[in-house]
Amino acid sequence: GAGVSQSPRYKVAKRGQDVALRCDPISGHVSLFWYQQALGQGPEFLTYFQNEAQLDKSGLPSDRFFAERPEGSVSTLKIQRTQQEDSAVYLCASSFLSGGRGETQYFGPGTRLLVL
Amino acid sequence: DAKTTQPNSMESNEEEPVHLPCNHSTISGTDYIHWYRQLPSQGPEYVIHGLTSNVNNRMASLAIAEDRKSSTLILHRATLRDAAVYYCILRASGANSKLTFGKGITLSVRP
Repeated sequence: GAGVSQSPRYKVAKRGQDVALRCDPISGHVSLFWYQQALGQGPEFLTYFQNEAQLDKSGLPSDRFFAERPEGSVSTLKIQRTQQEDSAVYLCASSFLSGGRGETQYFGPGTRLLVL
Repeated sequence: DAKTTQPNSMESNEEEPVHLPCNHSTISGTDYIHWYRQLPSQGPEYVIHGLTSNVNNRMASLAIAEDRKSSTLILHRATLRDAAVYYCILRASGANSKLTFGKGITLSVRP
């Protein structure tokens, strides 16, 4: 079956530009997570949705980062006024139920963002 | 969140078993032990998880110490495709159980 898909796969932005990254989770998955992965590091949690509700946004690094999932399926991560330190791979993951400790998270291939 | 420690890297020969260690001395009684791996230029993928007992699946085995302060991921016959970064992660109870990745262990497989 179809896995998690993300688009675009690569994005080059000029500093100060706004970008929008899209995630299509596995159909029917309740939970959706966004992670940020800097070069040579493990992914770091950004935010979590259960259906359309954003229940945890503690990992968003600044108010320039905004995520939404208005109909409980597709999610968009928006970064306003991009800075060079935003350059990273942005990963989306979904899980079937509430994302609890025994559940598997299924990851997309990521969007590689380069801010010049 | 309870922390895990892993060696930075490990090398293996193709078709030989690989044992990837993980220490988690501050694990709590309800934390699950998960392993994910990340192949080059891909998102992480689930490998295996367990709580107290050893676990086997088609990809690997997970051996958990009796005191749960350490665990070992076992790949029974390494292939070149197994070259990846392997992350050992503890997941606490609660609905939003985000994954807290460390740096992981980079496994290289020699042909």
